[in-house]
Amino acid sequence: AQSVAQPEDQVNVAEGNPLTVKCTYSVSGNPYLFWYVQYPNRGLQFLLKYITGDNLVKGSYGFEAEFNKSQTSFHLKKPSALVSDSALYFCAVSNGASGGYNKLIFGAGTRLAVHP
Amino acid sequence: GAGVSQSPSNKVTEKGKDVELRCDPISGHTALYWYRQRLGQGLEFLIYFQGNSAPDKSGLPSDRFSAERTGESVSTLTIQRTQQEDSAVYLCASSLQASGYNEQFFGPGTRLTVL
Repeated sequence: AQSVAQPEDQVNVAEGNPLTVKCTYSVSGNPYLFWYVQYPNRGLQFLLKYITGDNLVKGSYGFEAEFNKSQTSFHLKKPSALVSDSALYFCAVSNGASGGYNKLIFGAGTRLAVHP
Repeated sequence: GAGVSQSPSNKVTEKGKDVELRCDPISGHTALYWYRQRLGQGLEFLIYFQGNSAPDKSGLPSDRFSAERTGESVSTLTIQRTQQEDSAVYLCASSLQASGYNEQFFGPGTRLTVL
């Protein structure tokens, strides 16, 4: 069975500092990994994904994430946080088995608070 | 282009009433998904459609929940005899195809409150 863990309910960062939001996963096959962001009273917005290839993927708004197969992690990072980055972040995984649909499983979410 | 839209944005109903939630996916997206998000929690998968068929209904919490999709476009999620535990935000998403590597695009959600 697939699962996603986001070990931190909340991450607090000062504006201008680097940020990391952690995600670990469990899946039987090769993982497809995603990060989404949810701003207040809005739906989820896609940030980036890892399917195959380079372990470091770059996404929207200056975010990036690194796939680490040995640690089964896909941490979200940004070199310099902005107050406007404050939101709820979700990591998600699906099983990259060939063909067909594989359910996307979401983590519980991590609230990022960037302070001026 | 237009994103995923959902209506109504808010719905307040009394326990025992039926409700219908609507989702308009992005044009050309063949896959459509419904999720439930309870306050302070992550997303709970309910059902997905590939075209007009629903191969995976495993997430529907009870037989009070049903969904349909017509014309490979609009989808309706129906909750019969609503209960207070049904109160949540119901999110709809669509993607080009129902494959694990296609990112899903989400609507703003319908906030359902059952009194």
